[in-house]
Amino acid sequence: QSALTQPASVSGSPGQSITISCTGTSSDVGTYNLLSWYQQHPGKAPKLMIYEVSKRPSGVSNRFSGSKSGNTASLTISGLQAEDEADYYCCSYAGTSTFVVFGGGTKLTVL
Amino acid sequence: QITLKESGPTLVKPTQTLTLTCTFSGFSLSTSGVGVGWIRQSPGKALEWLTLIYWDDDKRYSPSLKSRLTITKDTSKNQVVLTMTNMDPVDTATYYCVHWALPYSFDYWGQGTLVTVSS
Repeated sequence: QSALTQPASVSGSPGQSITISCTGTSSDVGTYNLLSWYQQHPGKAPKLMIYEVSKRPSGVSNRFSGSKSGNTASLTISGLQAEDEADYYCCSYAGTSTFVVFGGGTKLTVL
Repeated sequence: QITLKESGPTLVKPTQTLTLTCTFSGFSLSTSGVGVGWIRQSPGKALEWLTLIYWDDDKRYSPSLKSRLTITKDTSKNQVVLTMTNMDPVDTATYYCVHWALPYSFDYWGQGTLVTVSS
């Protein structure tokens, strides 16, 4: 059982927007603005999409955005494209002892 | 350009010790704020963080696996080594080497190496 809770799956049609939630606790998501999101295509290594809740690394499409409220973070993908179909994982810093915790992952299907 | 590559056995027997090496380029593990870690993913399962070593040799371990893990670095060789003792079939997974940066994220990943634990 993962420390952060994500929906197992979400889906959307091309051009639509979807949001993936990531719920933690006051020991991780709720305390630190150090939440990142990773995209993983089948058979590939994960790729950093969002860091520090809402920042995008260079080269990541601005269709990807992040936010946080309390113990829940969210990843929104706008203008869905077929290439967005992948698994998405959230990850939060959780202090010096636990260090980081991951979510269970969400499979995004583009219909 | 930062790259990381994992190497080591693809098959280990139960109770054996796994040793994986991460060889990296494009950065120095003596630079303040930098870290290299390991994350694994069992087939069809979620990502699981294992351990990380910082530029100053400070180390972090997953609380649930701490007793079985050791991470070391050789800055001169640009390598980080993961040791996991008492391997079990449930440890079968793809093991990723990752670069950790001050934005507190894993911004570069190796291609991963699949390790199977079976007699």
